[in-house]
Amino acid sequence: EDQVTQSPEALRLQEGESSSLNCSYTVSGLRGLFWYRQDPGKGPEFLFTLYSAGEEKEKERLKATLTKKESFLHITAPKPEDSATYLCAVTRLGQNFVFGPGTRLSVLP
Amino acid sequence: DVKVTQSSRYLVKRTGEKVFLECVQDMDHENMFWYRQDPGLGLRLIYFSYDVKMKEKGDIPEGYSVSREKKERFSLILESASTNQTSMYLCASRSTGDYGYTFGSGTRLTVV
Repeated sequence: EDQVTQSPEALRLQEGESSSLNCSYTVSGLRGLFWYRQDPGKGPEFLFTLYSAGEEKEKERLKATLTKKESFLHITAPKPEDSATYLCAVTRLGQNFVFGPGTRLSVLP
Repeated sequence: DVKVTQSSRYLVKRTGEKVFLECVQDMDHENMFWYRQDPGLGLRLIYFSYDVKMKEKGDIPEGYSVSREKKERFSLILESASTNQTSMYLCASRSTGDYGYTFGSGTRLTVV
C-alpha cells in the first residue's frame, strides 16, 4: 500500500533560521512527487513537482529535492509569510494522489 | 489565471438537511475530485470523476453522492447532513497525465 509520512508534524523557526521538512514515501513506480503550501482556511497551493531521484526545484526561499525514498523541502532564511502547512503527495501510473499529513511551519519575527 | 471555484466559503446547515457543494473549473480538465480535510486525518478522498457523467468512489464515500453533468462542474451532495460531516471540503481538478492538482479555496461546512 502506498504511504506518505511527513516530519516533523510542526516546526517553529525564528526568522532567518534555515531548516528542512521531510516527506518519506513508499510507492512502487513513482510517477511524481508534489509539494503544496496551505494557508489556514484555504485550499492547497501548488509549489513543485519532482519526477526522478536527484531532481531539484527552486522557488524563492524554497528548494525541493528528491531521492528514491524521500523528498526534502529546504527553507532558506525563512520569513513570517512562509508560515503555512506544507503538504506532499505522491502518485503512480493510473492512481490518484496519496497525501501526507503535512508539516505545520511557524516562522516567528 | 486558471481557477477552481467553490461556490461557498462557509456554510452552516442543520442535521438532516440536503446539502449541495458546487465546484467549477475553467481549465478544461478531465478529472475532478472532492476531498474532506480534518485535523489529524489529513486529506481524504470522497469521490472523483474522470469524465462527464462518470463517478468513482474514493476512500470515504458513505453519506455522500456526486454529480457531473458538465465537464466543468462537479457537485458534492450530502443526502442527509450529520454533525460528523462538519469539515473543510476541498474540490480539485487536474488534466490527464502526470500533472498536479489545482485546488479550490475550500468550503468550511458546519452541521448543527
